[in-house]
Amino acid sequence: GAVVSQHPSRVICKSGTSVKIECRSLDFQATTMFWYRQFPKQSLMLMATSNEGSKATYEQGVEKDKFLINHASLTLSTLTVTSAHPEDSSFYICSAKDGRENTEAFFGQGTRLTVV
Amino acid sequence: GQNIDQPTEMTATEGAIVQINCTYQTSGFNGLFWYQQHAGEAPTFLSYNVLDGLEEKGRFSSFLSRSKGYSYLLLKELQMKDSASYLCAVLDSNYQLIWGAGTKLIIKP
Repeated sequence: GAVVSQHPSRVICKSGTSVKIECRSLDFQATTMFWYRQFPKQSLMLMATSNEGSKATYEQGVEKDKFLINHASLTLSTLTVTSAHPEDSSFYICSAKDGRENTEAFFGQGTRLTVV
Repeated sequence: GQNIDQPTEMTATEGAIVQINCTYQTSGFNGLFWYQQHAGEAPTFLSYNVLDGLEEKGRFSSFLSRSKGYSYLLLKELQMKDSASYLCAVLDSNYQLIWGAGTKLIIKP
C-alpha cells in the first residue's frame, strides 16, 4: 500500500509552547488529509479534514486557532498545536487519500504528544 | 444520526476462527473499511468493501451486505499477534470516515 510518513513519532514539550507535526504522502498525491486524535481506550476522533490549497474543515468542538492545519502541497500537511497544555497530551494521527473515489485512506505512524 | 456498532471486546483461542461484526447506519455509503490497531500504534488498513459479498485476503476475510447495513471481519488460524483492536469505518456520502469504537480482540493460548 501507499506510504504516509508522520513525524515526529514522540514529542515532549513544555506547557505554553507550540508543537508542529508533519504528515507526508511519499508515493502518491494526497488531495485530502485527515487529522485524528485518540484518547486512551477510545476510538479515533476526527479533528479536521484538509484539502490541498484550501482551508481545513474542523469538526465541531475543535478549536481552529489552537490546532492549526496547513495543507500547502499535495504531499505535505502539518498540524501545529499552539500554546500546548497538559490536556492536549494525546495520540495524534494523520491519514491521507488521493483524489479517486472509494479508495482507502493510509495512515501515518502517529505522534505521541506529552505536554508537561 | 450516524452510528457504527461493533462489540467492545471478544476473546478467542490461538488457531481458532473469530468473526467480528459491524452494523452501520450512515448518511450515504461509499464503502466500508476494516483497520487493525495494536496498542499505542496507528491503525493499519486491512480491507475495503463497497460491493456486497466476501473479500478474502489470506487469513483475513471481510463481508458486506449493504441492504442489511452489516459487515463482518473473519480471522482464521488465529495467532497471538492478532491480539489488537479492530476498527470498522464507513465512508459516508461526503466521503467522511465514520468510525466505530473498535473491538478489542484477545487471543488466548
